[in-house]
Amino acid sequence: AQSVTQLGSHVSVSEGALVLLRCNYSSSVPPYLFWYVQYPNQGLQLLLKYTSAATLVKGINGFEAEFKKSETSFHLTKPSAHMSDAAEYFCAVRNQAGTALIFGKGTTLSVSS
Amino acid sequence: ETGVTQTPRHLVMGMTNKKSLKCEQHLGHNAMYWYKQSAKKPLELMFVYNFKEQTENNSVPSRFSPECPNSSHLFLHLHTLQPEDSALYLCASSPRTSGGAGTDTQYFGPGTRLTVL
Repeated sequence: AQSVTQLGSHVSVSEGALVLLRCNYSSSVPPYLFWYVQYPNQGLQLLLKYTSAATLVKGINGFEAEFKKSETSFHLTKPSAHMSDAAEYFCAVRNQAGTALIFGKGTTLSVSS
Repeated sequence: ETGVTQTPRHLVMGMTNKKSLKCEQHLGHNAMYWYKQSAKKPLELMFVYNFKEQTENNSVPSRFSPECPNSSHLFLHLHTLQPEDSALYLCASSPRTSGGAGTDTQYFGPGTRLTVL
């Protein structure tokens, strides 16, 4: 069965610092992986997705993620954090039937000036 | 209106009330989803509709009753809810559910914040 684990429910960084949000997955089939962001009082917005093409995926707002099969990881990074990046971030994997997404518990990113 | 809209945005109801949540997508998609988002828990998939047919019911209690009259509209009818049902209910849509190769991005609405007293 598919699952995702997000390490760290809360990450705090300073403005301009590197952002690293960790996601490990478990999948019995080649995975399709996603990162979503949720700003306060809003729905989820897609940041990027991995669909078995390039292992380094670039998304919106300067975020990118690297698929590492050997480590079963899909960590999200951004070289320089902005205050506007403060939000909750969710990693997700498509279920085996391909009918829905399975989400991690989320990581709240705080950015301080 | 564009994207996925949900009404109402906030709802407070008693345990004996009956209410409905509405979702509408303006993206021409064929698949729609209901998720429950509770504090400190992962998003929980509740129901999936593909071309108006329910394709997945994730062991949801019968006090939640979905309805999908067409590919653009999705409802969640609520009755005799419990306080633990208080949560953010998110609707999403995608071009279709993926049964094979390829994947379809899900687009989410802003959610309905439900409080059950």
